[in-house]
Amino acid sequence: AQKITQTQPGMFVQEKEAVTLDCTYDTSDQSYGLFWYKQPSSGEMIFLIYQGSYDEQNATEGRYSLNFQKARKSANLVISASQLGDSAMYFCAMRASPRPNSGGSNYKLTFGKGTLLTVNP
Amino acid sequence: NAGVTQTPKFQVLKTGQSMTLQCAQDMNHNSMYWYRQDPGMGLRLIYYSASEGTTDKGEVPNGYNVSRLNKREFSLRLESAAPSQTSVYFCASSDQTGTRFRFFGPGTRLTVL
Repeated sequence: AQKITQTQPGMFVQEKEAVTLDCTYDTSDQSYGLFWYKQPSSGEMIFLIYQGSYDEQNATEGRYSLNFQKARKSANLVISASQLGDSAMYFCAMRASPRPNSGGSNYKLTFGKGTLLTVNP
Repeated sequence: NAGVTQTPKFQVLKTGQSMTLQCAQDMNHNSMYWYRQDPGMGLRLIYYSASEGTTDKGEVPNGYNVSRLNKREFSLRLESAAPSQTSVYFCASSDQTGTRFRFFGPGTRLTVL
């Protein structure tokens, strides 16, 4: 079974500073994927960044980067130059490998409990 | 291209009432999913459908049924609502690679009194 752990219930950062949100995972699969989502107070789930287990380089998407340390089973999200609009709940999630003979398309996500980020002016 | 749409956005039910949450995607994705989000619990998988005509239980399926009506639509039914089903419900879809799990619906906020 997959498990995602986010140990920081809440984080504070000053505007324009960088912040790291922690995520550790547990899986016995060799092939998996890791995601980060942002959920603002309006409630929608916004995809931020994806890292595949076989990707050799850390993923980056604009101000977001994923610090992937496979041996430590960690996938921390780094937000550079924080903005007030970054204040939100952030979720780490892991994609399981599909079951055999499933056609390869039953990818389920397991989510962590989230980290509430507050950016102070 | 609307992505994933859900109806309704809000609903209040009395204990024992039934309702169906509707979800549709226009991205030709094979797989669709229903999640619920409770405070402090993150998102938990209720049911999923790997392809048209198939459905499987997720982590918390009790009290729910699903129907994959066609490739576009995946509905979630509460036959006899209970207060424990008060939650925010999200529908999602994914492509065949599973690497671009970008598409979540806007959510349905359900309250069961």
